[in-house]
Amino acid sequence: DAGITQSPRYKITETGRQVTLMCHQTWSHSYMFWYRQDLGHGLRLIYYSAAADITDKGEVPDGYVVSRSKTENFPLTLESATRSQTSVYFCASRQGALGSYTFGSGTRLTVV
Amino acid sequence: AQTVTQSQPEMSVQEAETVTLSCTYDTSESDYYLFWYKQPPSRQMILVIRQEAYKQQNATENRFSVNFQKAAKSFSLKISDSQLGDAAMYFCACDEETSGSRLTFGEGTQLTVNP
Repeated sequence: DAGITQSPRYKITETGRQVTLMCHQTWSHSYMFWYRQDLGHGLRLIYYSAAADITDKGEVPDGYVVSRSKTENFPLTLESATRSQTSVYFCASRQGALGSYTFGSGTRLTVV
Repeated sequence: AQTVTQSQPEMSVQEAETVTLSCTYDTSESDYYLFWYKQPPSRQMILVIRQEAYKQQNATENRFSVNFQKAAKSFSLKISDSQLGDAAMYFCACDEETSGSRLTFGEGTQLTVNP
């Protein structure tokens, strides 16, 4: 039972570089989400997707791009990384309009 | 738009004692869900307990229970017989079913359990 897999678990990148965080789920859940976690802010929603090819902005979308060509994958791309994007990133999924969320193990991203 | 507030950045409790973590929320919806998540140092987000707003009965899961006050928009978590393994960051979250179905989190409460 693999659930949700995020990769990499840790990543260090330089300012201005493009970096992609991967998220893969094995349940075919329709909803997927990207959150970032910063001290004092809890988890804040970056982007979410209700189904393949359907994505929408969350609370803090600036500087991020997502795609969802397949139901099971929901990659998050930082097109030009900035130090303010240093954070822990969580992917989550949810089946339909009911049910609880399941979270990946998170990716700690450091932008230097 | 929904907001969730946890006013206690840190709490501590003696092993075997009871502790209550506070959470208030604001939503204009009548249909929503409330959650408590636990995040240990491993970073994993673990669901502790869930409450449907239409249910008046407070949810319980073993040593964990909630006090859901819908009119006051309050959703506190009580941990009974605290154990060392309960030490973690705890997040309160709200999910409005009719507004895109996504979780909004509070800032978190760091719980320390003293032996």
